[in-house]
Amino acid sequence: DAGITQSPRYKITETGRQVTLMCHQTWSHSYMFWYRQDLGHGLRLIYYSAAADITDKGEVPDGYVVSRSKTENFPLTLESATRSQTSVYFCASSESGFYGYTFGSGTRLTVV
Amino acid sequence: QKEVEQDPGPLSVPEGAIVSLNCTYSNSAFQYFMWYRQYSRKGPELLMYTYSSGNKEDGRFTAQVDKSSKYISLFIRDSQPSDSATYLCAMSGLQGAQKLVFGQGTRLTINP
Repeated sequence: DAGITQSPRYKITETGRQVTLMCHQTWSHSYMFWYRQDLGHGLRLIYYSAAADITDKGEVPDGYVVSRSKTENFPLTLESATRSQTSVYFCASSESGFYGYTFGSGTRLTVV
Repeated sequence: QKEVEQDPGPLSVPEGAIVSLNCTYSNSAFQYFMWYRQYSRKGPELLMYTYSSGNKEDGRFTAQVDKSSKYISLFIRDSQPSDSATYLCAMSGLQGAQKLVFGQGTRLTINP
């Protein structure tokens, strides 16, 4: 199916563990993004990528790592999860970025 | 002060009412203005997109941009219960995607 898919939909992990959130898009969009959404803060950009092997930091990158070896995949890794990283994570893609993004359905992550 | 300010609500109106949602911003470089709709436990979806100033209409939805006042609005006519969602404004400058900034979102409920 065409679109952008995130996995898993729900994840519970323990403090200190490494966890990877997956994002896959089928349009071959150049741009991909990771956002986190928290009450009182709205959507905040973690990392983005303009093309394969090109990534850059967003507003809140600390504690996260990304890679983009293939255009269609953009995984987000929490190297050592903390409770403050409990959030809903959204991946998005865009061909040009100038008229908006298409979002995935989100991953709800709880760090205990 | 945040670059984009949006009243989080919640906003509750009766079915059939005209709804007005607003955002203010401080960055005069913003040129692209978008409205996203987000249903509960779903990712945001692009609703309206406007470049620079002016109005844009799409069915029951009208987006307005007043760059002189740094103020954007979304109007919903003949509101329906299916319009109940969180509405997020988003905007970016000429640098495009990587500079997209979201408002906090306004939670809207349309009562039958």
